[in-house]
Amino acid sequence: AQSVSQHNHHVILSEAASLELGCNYSYGGTVNLFWYVQYPGQHLQLLLKYFSGDPLVKGIKGFEAEFIKSKFSFNLRKPSVQWSDTAEYFCAVNANTGRRALTFGSGTRLQVQP
Amino acid sequence: DGGITQSPKYLFRKEGQNVTLSCEQNLNHDAMYWYRQDPGQGLRLIYYSQIVNDFQKGDIAEGYSVSREKKESFPLTVTSAQKNPTAFYLCASPPNGQGNTEAFFGQGTRLTVV
Repeated sequence: AQSVSQHNHHVILSEAASLELGCNYSYGGTVNLFWYVQYPGQHLQLLLKYFSGDPLVKGIKGFEAEFIKSKFSFNLRKPSVQWSDTAEYFCAVNANTGRRALTFGSGTRLQVQP
Repeated sequence: DGGITQSPKYLFRKEGQNVTLSCEQNLNHDAMYWYRQDPGQGLRLIYYSQIVNDFQKGDIAEGYSVSREKKESFPLTVTSAQKNPTAFYLCASPPNGQGNTEAFFGQGTRLTVV
């Protein structure tokens, strides 16, 4: 069965600091990878996704993620965070099997201090 | 306005009672899912339905039941057999098509057992 690990549970940064959130998955075959964000009181929104092609994907709001197949990783990055980036971030994977539902990591709560 | 609508937003239940959470979509999507979100555990899949009149157990189906009599609707019943039902419940649905595994989410229902 596929699983997703997010090792940073709570991250606190100052504005303008750089961000990297770790995500590792366990599945040896072809995968689709996602990062979702949940702002306080709002529903989950897709930040970016990787299906195939260029392993460096760019998403909304200046976020990007790099798929490294050899490391089973899909880390999320942003060069300079803003206070408005305060939210919970979820990495998710779908292993292109018959079950199309996503498997999520436990989430990382990001707090950006002004 | 197209989307996924969950109701109610907040729900209180007495121990030993069954309760049903509503999820409706007007996106003409075939598949619909139910997730449960707990602090520090991310989202876990309860049930999923790839097509009307068909549904499958997810990773934590015990104590839950669903039906899929209409394409637009996928209600979730939390039964008295669910040992720890207090949680945030999210309904999701991906666009149709083989490659489209990203999901759109509803606003969620917060269930509290009192």
